[in-house]
Amino acid sequence: GQNIDQPTEMTATEGAIVQINCTYQTSGFNGLFWYQQHAGEAPTFLSYNVLDGLEEKGRFSSFLSRSKGYSYLLLKELQMKDSASYLCAVNKNSWGKFQFGAGTQVVVTP
Amino acid sequence: SQTIHQWPATLVQPVGSPLSLECTVEGTSNPNLYWYRQAAGRGLQLLFYSVGIGQISSEVPQNLSASRPQDRQFILSSKKLLLSDSGFYLCAWTLGDTEAFFGQGTRLTVV
Repeated sequence: GQNIDQPTEMTATEGAIVQINCTYQTSGFNGLFWYQQHAGEAPTFLSYNVLDGLEEKGRFSSFLSRSKGYSYLLLKELQMKDSASYLCAVNKNSWGKFQFGAGTQVVVTP
Repeated sequence: SQTIHQWPATLVQPVGSPLSLECTVEGTSNPNLYWYRQAAGRGLQLLFYSVGIGQISSEVPQNLSASRPQDRQFILSSKKLLLSDSGFYLCAWTLGDTEAFFGQGTRLTVV
């Protein structure tokens, strides 16, 4: 089957670190993307991995292992504004055919 | 710079009425265009995508249709809305291998 699995919800305190895992089984792979979506708004792009390894962008980092069908998004120095849903998405072909996970709701508490 | 416009932002329509949502992209040529639907608390479901004018691929059988009359215009339509068509509809564009850029979304409530 074709699945993208990520936890439903995670809670962490302000200033802490949270790691959101994503596993995937898809027909075709052309990159793994992470998006942030605040309630009622459109998703915004955070990071992108096409090769194995870690990509760092400020407080956000994303890791990919293609052989394991696994990625994670690491959020450091959490801020209240990071409370949002984080979507894992696989680009399945060169035409940008994305398949999205259901999203992980991150709740940051004071 | 590239921008994507989607309208309207919210819409309340009675069951059985028609639907037309429009999306336009500025600042790029030959984008790939997409319509997604997101049910409350769920992920994004790809409905349609288009790699060129007049080219539409449907991902799931449904009560909706899409058209691309111009390079940077993508329209989502229905002749008769169902209650199950309620949701958050998002238009997006990519250049293929790049990240997707989303419009502001349309919150559709069918009553």
